Amino acid sequence: EVQLVESGGGLVQPGGSLRLSCAASGFTFSPYWMHWVRQAPGKGLVWVSRINSDGSSTSYADSVKGRFTISRDNARNTLYLQMNSLRTEDTAVYYCARVIEAADYWGQGTLVTVSS
Amino acid sequence: DIQMTQSPSSLSASVGDRVTITCRASQSIRNYLNWYQQKPGKAPKLLIYAASSLQSGGPSRFSGSGSGTDFTLTISSLQPEDFATYYCQQSYSTLYTFGQGTKLEIK
Repeated sequence: EVQLVESGGGLVQPGGSLRLSCAASGFTFSPYWMHWVRQAPGKGLVWVSRINSDGSSTSYADSVKGRFTISRDNARNTLYLQMNSLRTEDTAVYYCARVIEAADYWGQGTLVTVSS
Repeated sequence: DIQMTQSPSSLSASVGDRVTITCRASQSIRNYLNWYQQKPGKAPKLLIYAASSLQSGGPSRFSGSGSGTDFTLTISSLQPEDFATYYCQQSYSTLYTFGQGTKLEIK
């Protein structure tokens, strides 16, 4: 069974940092591109970032570029999102997703709250 | 960036109704268009990929069509479990933008 399990969310002050993890199991992780998507409370889905299969290519939404870094460890079957200089508007549930043509499997999400 | 605009933003319908949701891209995205269903407190679920391909295990009452800039998601006969929020997403550019969502409610 394909599983994606996010962790690392929590409460952080503005300007702080967090690292999210997404542990993959039930499939061969290394060939797949992986994405992060977030959803602020009561709002819609917002695409955040993506990484290719070997980690050599990444892309970011303008709203997080220069502050967030996506990475992966194929040996550990884990995806990461390093989030620095956090702002109140980064408060959201963060989902990781496996992508072929589209995001066919999603994690359950981890809540990040940025507040003083 | 490619902007995705869905209409309507919300929709009330009854069980058994035929429902259509529209998604428009700000530029041509060929057929790189996906549809997701999300229920409250849950992760999104892929329904349709590549504009018209039904995701494995998806109910056949869901169908997608369109290419270029204009796309539709159709539910042929609404079931109680279909009341949810639906999102389109383009996968043509490296920035995979979503539409703002369409909330489908029970009339």
